[in-house]
Amino acid sequence: EVVLTQSPGTLSLSPGERATLSCKASQSIRSTYLAWYQQRPGQAPRLLISATSTRATGIPDRFSGSGSGTDFTLTISRLEPEDFAVYYCQQFPVTFGGGTKVEIK
Amino acid sequence: QVQLQESGPGLVKPSRTLSLTCTVSGDSISSFSEYWSWIRQPPGKGLEWIGSIYYSGATSYNPSLKSRVSMSIDTSKNQFSLNLDSVTAADTAVYFCARETWNHFFDSWGQGSLVTVSS
Repeated sequence: EVVLTQSPGTLSLSPGERATLSCKASQSIRSTYLAWYQQRPGQAPRLLISATSTRATGIPDRFSGSGSGTDFTLTISRLEPEDFAVYYCQQFPVTFGGGTKVEIK
Repeated sequence: QVQLQESGPGLVKPSRTLSLTCTVSGDSISSFSEYWSWIRQPPGKGLEWIGSIYYSGATSYNPSLKSRVSMSIDTSKNQFSLNLDSVTAADTAVYFCARETWNHFFDSWGQGSLVTVSS
């Protein structure tokens, strides 16, 4: 089973700053099978990015994904108040990373 | 726009079977290009995939839960269901149903149903 390790566990930033979230796989995975989700408190996760870099419908362009092999990154170019949430990466066969919490500094 | 809604008991006794149903609207559960999935989240923790089912009834389960999980699908009602046997307190979680795309992403989710295992 491929293990996804997300870092950091918590990211403390201010609105307007850039956020860089990491997802590392224990072995190489196909980039077509890497996704990112956002989960706000009390809500279901929401698909942000599929196939490493394709934004889902309605996702603003401040969210971008990149990477290949074992190293993948989600970047939020300028944090908006609604972006403070927990972010998960996911691959297929389905496993999820442990999550990164983006909190207000 | 597709909507998914979980339903089922919020409290299950230890050693019993947890049963949940997901009702889908706005999309046909008989779609050739989609799977239908269950994912859970223990309080304060991360996401765990439980399993997926195709309209044909073909299933795929998380190996760590495979011995206790069964899923079924009812295309006439546009519903799919989860059974988890021999539950313990460790199975206490919010259970989400979700639509899984052909390339295995979850693009639509139910709101989640909290199931507590307790006597």
